[in-house]
Amino acid sequence: DAGVIQSPRHEVTEMGQEVTLRCKPISGHNSLFWYRQTMMRGLELLIYFNNNVPIDDSGMPEDRFSAKMPNASFSTLKIQPSEPRDSAVYFCASSLALLLRQGDTGELFFGEGSRLTVL
Amino acid sequence: GENVEQHPSTLSVQEGDSAVIKCTYSDSASNYFPWYKQELGKRPQLIIDIRSNVGEKKDQRIAVTLNKTAKHFSLHITETQPEDSAVYFCAASKGDSSYKLIFGSGTRLLVRP
Repeated sequence: DAGVIQSPRHEVTEMGQEVTLRCKPISGHNSLFWYRQTMMRGLELLIYFNNNVPIDDSGMPEDRFSAKMPNASFSTLKIQPSEPRDSAVYFCASSLALLLRQGDTGELFFGEGSRLTVL
Repeated sequence: GENVEQHPSTLSVQEGDSAVIKCTYSDSASNYFPWYKQELGKRPQLIIDIRSNVGEKKDQRIAVTLNKTAKHFSLHITETQPEDSAVYFCAASKGDSSYKLIFGSGTRLLVRP
């Protein structure tokens, strides 16, 4: 398996533009997580899905942020309109399930991240 | 809300010395505590984890300890090598038995040759 695949790897855009980040989780994984990483705030959990259903979006900073998972192999994180303070690395991660079962490795598999710069 | 505090933020050690990173968490229901290593420009990757029914776990040069009463857990790296240089993140499950993780702020470890 190629692992979690994210695109684009880098995006530079101007304030006010719409940004769409994409993620393909590992096949067979039922849960998907979006994290944002900045120097100031570290790794923040934005939203997560289980079986394509959003479970908790309390980490989404503002209404400008939205996420979807139309099927088991694809998710998007959208920012509209973007602002300079949205500049960060956005990671998508997937896991076997939402609840850790006995014998599970417990590993959250991260993608390579999408580095967003909003000018 | 749930919170994980991590110290120190930076740590510089001589090759061969030990490194210790400490974390505290606030959610009493947390029972899964992984540690992730992130090399520069790369993704975070799991290096070791511990569950609340275990007090200590070892994997070669890496060990983790957990004190559930005090809500503390620590990462110990012995005989450090330059390739151990990276940012290390502790995390605690949000609630019990969950992959939903709250991460600490990270520790930048530098191992000087």
